[in-house]
Amino acid sequence: AQSVTQLGSHVSVSEGALVLLRCNYSSSVPPYLFWYVQYPNQGLQLLLKYTTGATLVKGINGFEAEFKKSETSFHLTKPSAHMSDAAEYFCAVITGGYNKLIFGAGTRLAVHP
Amino acid sequence: EPEVTQTPSHQVTQMGQEVILRCVPISNHLYFYWYRQILGQKVEFLVSFYNNEISEKSEIFDDQFSVERPDGSNFTLKIRSTKLEDSAMYFCASSSQGGMNEQFFGPGTRLTVL
Repeated sequence: AQSVTQLGSHVSVSEGALVLLRCNYSSSVPPYLFWYVQYPNQGLQLLLKYTTGATLVKGINGFEAEFKKSETSFHLTKPSAHMSDAAEYFCAVITGGYNKLIFGAGTRLAVHP
Repeated sequence: EPEVTQTPSHQVTQMGQEVILRCVPISNHLYFYWYRQILGQKVEFLVSFYNNEISEKSEIFDDQFSVERPDGSNFTLKIRSTKLEDSAMYFCASSSQGGMNEQFFGPGTRLTVL
């Protein structure tokens, strides 16, 4: 069965610092991987996704993530945090022929001045 | 920019009552989904819907739940007899092609069962 683990339910960084949000997945078949962001009182917005091809994928707002099959990881990074990045971030996976997204528990990112 | 909308934003109901949560997916999308998030827990898949029928459902989606696309624009989730444990944020999503394609999410309906 597929599963997603996000290490760290809360991450706090200074404005301008590196953002690293961790995601590990479990899947017996090649996964499709997603990062979604949720701002307060809003729905889930897609940041980026990996399906096939280049393992480093770039998304919106300066975020990127690298698919590492050997580590079963898909960590999200941003070189320099901005106050507007404060939100909850969800890693998710789709595998096989299924449509359903399997989500991690989420990581709440706080950015302080 | 097209978006998924959901109404109401917050619904309070008494245990045992029926509720209907409404969603308007993006107009040219063909695949529709409901997810829920109990406070402090993961976002969980409930059901997917394509071509006017359920394509997949989770263990959570028991006989108390049903979905319907009553017209060309709305997609509804009905809970027949609500329980306290149904209290959660319910998200509707839609996608144009299913599979690994992006699912666009609505802002959610917060359901509180008293």
